[in-house]
Amino acid sequence: GQQLNQSPQSMFIQEGEDVSMNCTSSSIFNTWLWYKQDPGEGPVLLIALYKAGELTSNGRLTAQFGITRKDSFLNISASIPSDVGIYFCAGRAYNTGTASKLTFGTGTRLQVTL
Amino acid sequence: DGGITQSPKYLFRKEGQNVTLSCEQNLNHDAMYWYRQDPGQGLRLIYYSQIVNDFQKGDIAEGYSVSREKKESFPLTVTSAQKNPTAFYLCASSIVPLAATGAFFGQGTRLTVV
Repeated sequence: GQQLNQSPQSMFIQEGEDVSMNCTSSSIFNTWLWYKQDPGEGPVLLIALYKAGELTSNGRLTAQFGITRKDSFLNISASIPSDVGIYFCAGRAYNTGTASKLTFGTGTRLQVTL
Repeated sequence: DGGITQSPKYLFRKEGQNVTLSCEQNLNHDAMYWYRQDPGQGLRLIYYSQIVNDFQKGDIAEGYSVSREKKESFPLTVTSAQKNPTAFYLCASSIVPLAATGAFFGQGTRLTVV
């Protein structure tokens, strides 16, 4: 099964810095989702994108649906310690019709130092 | 409060035994999913169901079985045929087709084979 390529795999940043991560696919997606997972917990939805070129914000988080529909980006501004966790992208491929099957990225592990 | 409940949170199984993981949702979602997560890995789809009494294999269905007799419930059985069952199992649900709300996850069940 396909997994989305997500980069970077891990990041160590200082509190207050901005963070960028991205997700790419070899096939076209019509839905992109970004999730955050804390240790030992289920992922929590952060942002959902449904249209190519769409830019959506949720507080300090901003995500974009790439124009090619094969990629998506997540930015976190002014990081704080509670941003620590694993960030996953997920997408629904164009050719799945009405099926609700999601494919997940490999995750970006974010660690914030004071 | 609406949500998804997975139980138990931790489960230990002897080799050669079948074990069933519970997933219940009261969100009135039509679709439910089971994912497997290994350390440092993304989420891989085991099975999903878009309607009662119907389900589809995901990318790694071998050694697993499911049932969908009720809209609220989607139990996963890990059979003795699953060669490496130790993992973190996540259940999710969504409306159909997958839309603005994305998929909601439970808290997960950590299965360990002893």
